[in-house]
Amino acid sequence: DQQVKQNSPSLSVQEGRISILNCDYTNSMFDYFLWYKKYPAEGPTFLISISSIKDKNEDGRFTVFLNKSAKHLSLHIVPSQPGDSAVYFCAASRRGGGADGLTFGKGTHLIIQP
Amino acid sequence: DGGITQSPKYLFRKEGQNVTLSCEQNLNHDAMYWYRQDPGQGLRLIYYSQIVNDFQKGDIAEGYSVSREKKESFPLTVTSAQKNPTAFYLCASSMGGSSYNEQFFGPGTRLTVL
Repeated sequence: DQQVKQNSPSLSVQEGRISILNCDYTNSMFDYFLWYKKYPAEGPTFLISISSIKDKNEDGRFTVFLNKSAKHLSLHIVPSQPGDSAVYFCAASRRGGGADGLTFGKGTHLIIQP
Repeated sequence: DGGITQSPKYLFRKEGQNVTLSCEQNLNHDAMYWYRQDPGQGLRLIYYSQIVNDFQKGDIAEGYSVSREKKESFPLTVTSAQKNPTAFYLCASSMGGSSYNEQFFGPGTRLTVL
């Protein structure tokens, strides 16, 4: 039973355009959400996060939107660059803050076309 | 340079043998985690530790054991009871405590059981 779902295994976007990666969750206890970027055979690197008290968080080219009522979040990358090609994981924290483990989606492979 | 180290990068073992994966961090983080990644899958939590000499089972703890004798170190033992041990193993750490914080990941160890 997947509690964090990324329904698009892959996404192809032209360089310079907007990339939108989506994530849905089912557990109402999740209240902190993170996006990680991962290259093959490497550990994930943290990109951006959002807590449930907000509906938007921006950091440079990256913006995360949270729709609590729909249990949906999305990551926007504008403009997309070749170095953005990687697998992106959505993750959620089981309860408010703290040191619990994260629950991850299966990832979306983003491919930026020149 | 602060970070998380995992060694070795690649590890081969014969079926039926126990094997221990190393994870060390010099970030002065209280919390440490072990995840497993299989092809086409997200990361799944094996064990986590919020403080020295204490640890909790994650979602897939069967066939694994851990220890947390030092703040910097959180070794994972893959025992012969683990039915499908071949996978990519990732260690992470975070500040822990009650505030929201992201987890930082090591480079991973790819374990292949022959």
